[in-house]
Amino acid sequence: GAGVSQSPRYKVAKRGQDVALRCDPISGHVSLFWYQQALGQGPEFLTYFQNEAQLDKSGLPSDRFFAERPEGSVSTLKIQRTQQEDSAVYLCASSKRQGWVNEKLFFGSGTQLSVL
Amino acid sequence: AQRVTQPEKLLSVFKGAPVELKCNYSYSGSPELFWYVQYSRQRLQLLLRHISRESIKGFTADLNKGETSFHLKKPFAQEEDSAMYYCALSGSGNTGKLIFGQGTTLQVKP
Repeated sequence: GAGVSQSPRYKVAKRGQDVALRCDPISGHVSLFWYQQALGQGPEFLTYFQNEAQLDKSGLPSDRFFAERPEGSVSTLKIQRTQQEDSAVYLCASSKRQGWVNEKLFFGSGTQLSVL
Repeated sequence: AQRVTQPEKLLSVFKGAPVELKCNYSYSGSPELFWYVQYSRQRLQLLLRHISRESIKGFTADLNKGETSFHLKKPFAQEEDSAMYYCALSGSGNTGKLIFGQGTTLQVKP
């Protein structure tokens, strides 16, 4: 009965390191979203999965960002060669159905990434 | 362009006072709008959505297409309402993808 689970809760990386952030959505949820939330800002959309298919990656800020959801459940957001501007909270959200504009999103607690 | 604007970063009121958190949007089409809330040390969660026409914890929000607004209101604020509130718009493409405003911190003083 757990909600959306994200790990690690905190991540400190040196500039230039690669990081991998994990999201375990609610079981059976078809849709999965990644958001980036900079300090003092609202969440900004990064990418969307419907099962294992990445249908929208329009929000990924650069080709250093990569996301996958190979079996349609757990998802990983990878950031290569991290830079200071990548410092933010990364939120994962899932929803039960696909393609419904009024769908309720369930959010995880987020991973706070600090790049030094 | 699709955009959500919350003009106030902080709204401070006394317990029992009315509350109105402002939200304006820009969207070419028929919008679907939401309010999400984040209480201290909790995760972001849905408060209410336009389509449901519901009142949650005494909060209501009315969509005004003429003014492109979806302000959140409560007649009598409670201390437990203190939180960060985000207005959000469901973008095009029927994915459920949300566009969020910058958020307003509501502080209810005793």
